Amino acid sequence: NAGVTQTPKFQVLKTGQSMTLQCAQDMNHNSMYWYRQDPGMGLRLIYYSASEGTTDKGEVPNGYNVSRLNKREFSLRLESAAPSQTSVYFCASSDGGMNTEAFFGQGTRLTVV
Amino acid sequence: AQSVSQHNHHVILSEAASLELGCNYSYGGTVNLFWYVQYPGQHLQLLLKYFSGDPLVKGIKGFEAEFIKSKFSFNLRKPSVQWSDTAEYFCAVRSGGSYIPTFGRGTSLIVHP
Repeated sequence: NAGVTQTPKFQVLKTGQSMTLQCAQDMNHNSMYWYRQDPGMGLRLIYYSASEGTTDKGEVPNGYNVSRLNKREFSLRLESAAPSQTSVYFCASSDGGMNTEAFFGQGTRLTVV
Repeated sequence: AQSVSQHNHHVILSEAASLELGCNYSYGGTVNLFWYVQYPGQHLQLLLKYFSGDPLVKGIKGFEAEFIKSKFSFNLRKPSVQWSDTAEYFCAVRSGGSYIPTFGRGTSLIVHP
């Protein structure tokens, strides 16, 4: 039962470097999400994808891009990392219907120095 | 836009004490309500959920929550906490036909043995 798998688990970047966070789910879910978690701020939505081929901005999209590669995979890219992007990033997926819950990956702890 | 308020940011209890964590939301229409738990260093896991029916919802590990529509609330309760309940607790709400959950800022619970 893999569920939602994120890679990497930890990453340190220098300011200005780029990287892609990978996420894959094996539950045949339509919808996928990227959140960032910061102390005292809870989880804030960065981008989401209602279904394969569609993506939309969430609450805090600046500095990020996403790709819904196929139904299973939803990646998050930082083109030019900034210290303000130091955070824990969570990928989640859900069936997309109203009476379903979201399932979360293990998270990626990113530090930008 | 939906907003979710968790009034208790930090709660410290001794084992066997009773727990109640508050959650209020802003949207007055049809809602789906969730409580998630995040143990130290882990991802978010679903504790319980409300979609419809009995407003008193029972979840895993002895937790329960009551949906009070007139108060826009979905408070989490546990009659007797254990040291292993030390974690961060997030309330989430989905509403207005949107499948995207909005999260509160979280409550950090520390239970002393």
